[in-house]
Amino acid sequence: DTEVTQTPKHLVMGMTNKKSLKCEQHMGHRAMYWYKQKAKKPPELMFVYSYEKLSINESVPSRFSPECPNSSLLNLHLHALQPEDSALYLCASSQDRTLGEQFFGPGTRLTVL
Amino acid sequence: QKEVEQNSGPLSVPEGAIASLNCTYSDRGSQSFFWYRQYSGKSPELIMSIYSNGDKEDGRFTAQLNKASQYVSLLIRDSQPSDSATYLCAPKAGGYQKVTFGIGTKLQVIP
Repeated sequence: DTEVTQTPKHLVMGMTNKKSLKCEQHMGHRAMYWYKQKAKKPPELMFVYSYEKLSINESVPSRFSPECPNSSLLNLHLHALQPEDSALYLCASSQDRTLGEQFFGPGTRLTVL
Repeated sequence: QKEVEQNSGPLSVPEGAIASLNCTYSDRGSQSFFWYRQYSGKSPELIMSIYSNGDKEDGRFTAQLNKASQYVSLLIRDSQPSDSATYLCAPKAGGYQKVTFGIGTKLQVIP
């Protein structure tokens, strides 16, 4: 299995809602990433997990809360988001954090109303 | 100076021509270099990695690296309309450093 899966594909939520994005990989990769991408911009790193521990938090607001329950799963919990948080949220994985060869999931298109 | 500089394009080339995509980077500690392709509305896909100076060829793609000039490029030979996408340059420093993405160059291959 050489793919990263993400659910849901699309998500619309209000500013008071709580929702979660899910990401899964079965390639045995030990590093997993969350990126945010706005239109016509490059992916912007949010969080890095290495061996199930949070190793990088790029000063992301606390309304985004990552979780890595095991080496294959990565969640992003969302609460009290703002309309400007609307974007494509990408999950990626790599063999380990020292490598830049990242495999991306298809993304979740998030709209905050 | 931006960490990674790419011309956002669009770069238009006729079908069958060579497309040349360029990237400069500011971090002299960068050791690994990656090119990702992103189709509109899709996620990035790794297409080339290059770690040492010189050329690396993979099918129609050739990556070229010059660390002294802090320059990396991607050549696409025999360009096809299916190559139309945004190409993201992504250098990475050694160790536990993050990959830094350039803004990407939009390539349009005209049939």
